[in-house]
Amino acid sequence: AQTVTQSQPEMSVQEAETVTLSCTYDTSENNYYLFWYKQPPSRQMILVIRQEAYKQQNATENRFSVNFQKAAKSFSLKISDSQLGDTAMYFCAFMKHFQGGSEKLVFGKGTKLTVNP
Amino acid sequence: DSGVTQTPKHLITATGQRVTLRCSPRSGDLSVYWYQQSLDQGLQFLIQYYNGEERAKGNILERFSAQQFPDLHSELNLSSLELGDSALYFCASSVARTLAGAHKNIQYFGAGTRLSVL
Repeated sequence: AQTVTQSQPEMSVQEAETVTLSCTYDTSENNYYLFWYKQPPSRQMILVIRQEAYKQQNATENRFSVNFQKAAKSFSLKISDSQLGDTAMYFCAFMKHFQGGSEKLVFGKGTKLTVNP
Repeated sequence: DSGVTQTPKHLITATGQRVTLRCSPRSGDLSVYWYQQSLDQGLQFLIQYYNGEERAKGNILERFSAQQFPDLHSELNLSSLELGDSALYFCASSVARTLAGAHKNIQYFGAGTRLSVL
C-alpha cells in the first residue's frame, strides 16, 4: 500500500516571499503520478500541480514548482512570491498509473499554510 | 468552478438516520470517486465507479453504499448514521479514457457535502 507523509502540519510565510512544503511517499510502483491540491477556507479542493513519475523534468505552474526526487521518494512544492490568496491547506497526493484511466488518490495529512501581510 | 456538482452543501441529521448525497460529474467524465474528509482520518478514498460499474473500493463501511446511474450521476447512501460519520464528503470525477490532449488522471473535485450527525 502506498503512503504519503507531510511532516509539516503548519507553516507560515510573509507575503512576496518563497516557501517550500515537503512531501515524501512510499511505493513499490515505478509508474505513478503525484499531485499537490490546495484547500482554501472555502473547502474546495483545487489542483495546484501534477507530476508524472516517468518525467525527470520538474513540473511548474506559474509561481508553483516542484522538486521531484524519485530515488528519494520526495515531492516538495515551492511557492514563489507568496500571495494572501495562497493561504490554505495543501495536500500532497499519490496515484498509481493505470492504463486507460485514473486510480484513487492517496493523500497526506496536509500542511496548513498561512501567508502573512 | 470544477464542473462537479454536489448536493446538498450541508446536511444535519440524527444518529440512526439515513441520508443520500448526490454528485453530478463534469460533462463527459465517466469515473466518479467518493472521498471522506474527517479531522481524525484525513482524506480517505471510499469508492470509485466507472460508467455505472463499481471499479474500486477503499475504506468504506458496510453501512455505506453508492451507485452510478446511466446519466453518470452518482449517489452515496449513508445509513444507521453514527456521530463519527460527521465529515466532509467529496465527489471527484475524471476522464477515464484516452483522449488526445485530455488531462487524464486528473480528478476534479466538487465543493463537498458537510454532514453533521447529532
